[in-house]
Amino acid sequence: GAVVSQHPSWVICKSGTSVKIECRSLDFQATTMFWYRQFPKQSLMLMATSNEGSKATYEQGVEKDKFLINHASLTLSTLTVTSAHPEDSSFYICSASGATGELFFGEGSRLTVL
Amino acid sequence: AQSVTQLDSHVSVSEGTPVLLRCNYSSSYSPSLFWYVQHPNKGLQLLLKYTSAATLVKGINGFEAEFKKSETSFHLTKPSAHMSDAAEYFCVVSLRNDYKLSFGAGTTVTVRA
Repeated sequence: GAVVSQHPSWVICKSGTSVKIECRSLDFQATTMFWYRQFPKQSLMLMATSNEGSKATYEQGVEKDKFLINHASLTLSTLTVTSAHPEDSSFYICSASGATGELFFGEGSRLTVL
Repeated sequence: AQSVTQLDSHVSVSEGTPVLLRCNYSSSYSPSLFWYVQHPNKGLQLLLKYTSAATLVKGINGFEAEFKKSETSFHLTKPSAHMSDAAEYFCVVSLRNDYKLSFGAGTTVTVRA
């Protein structure tokens, strides 16, 4: 089946630094990618919808200047957490949809901000 | 708007016994419904999905779910639990042709030997 890869899977950074997380569709072109955030023992919350070549659409309450999303190609979307703080520590998951409409999820990226 | 309610936050079963995970949904239009499984520190894997065909949907690893419109339910079952079924399970709803997913709160399944 289709594979979506996230990198890095684990990242630890100091408060105030920026962290970039990549989401790649390995064997299909993803016109739309989604970014989710998951707190411990909680469900996934949609952060934003990313369409190739256009600006991302952010969900209510998500700071677009804090969580920068770029979808420069049909196989890559990036999420940059700018000036990270401990409250940004979370599990971030992306998903991608291709021509068939089925969604595939990445393995997730765990961010810890010290 | 659509939403999902998973009625059990935690289900514990003995290996070899049936598993039932309950899910109710609300949706203004005909929904698509999904069950996903998540193992610790992993992404989500699709177990099964209902779009508009048969109301009894068979998925991977012996799981199946039945769409009951009259009860607005989409419960997930498996006749015989295996140790490897211990994980977090999410019931998810979306509107047809809309990729936005609404996730339930999740049900943690533990399997006792």
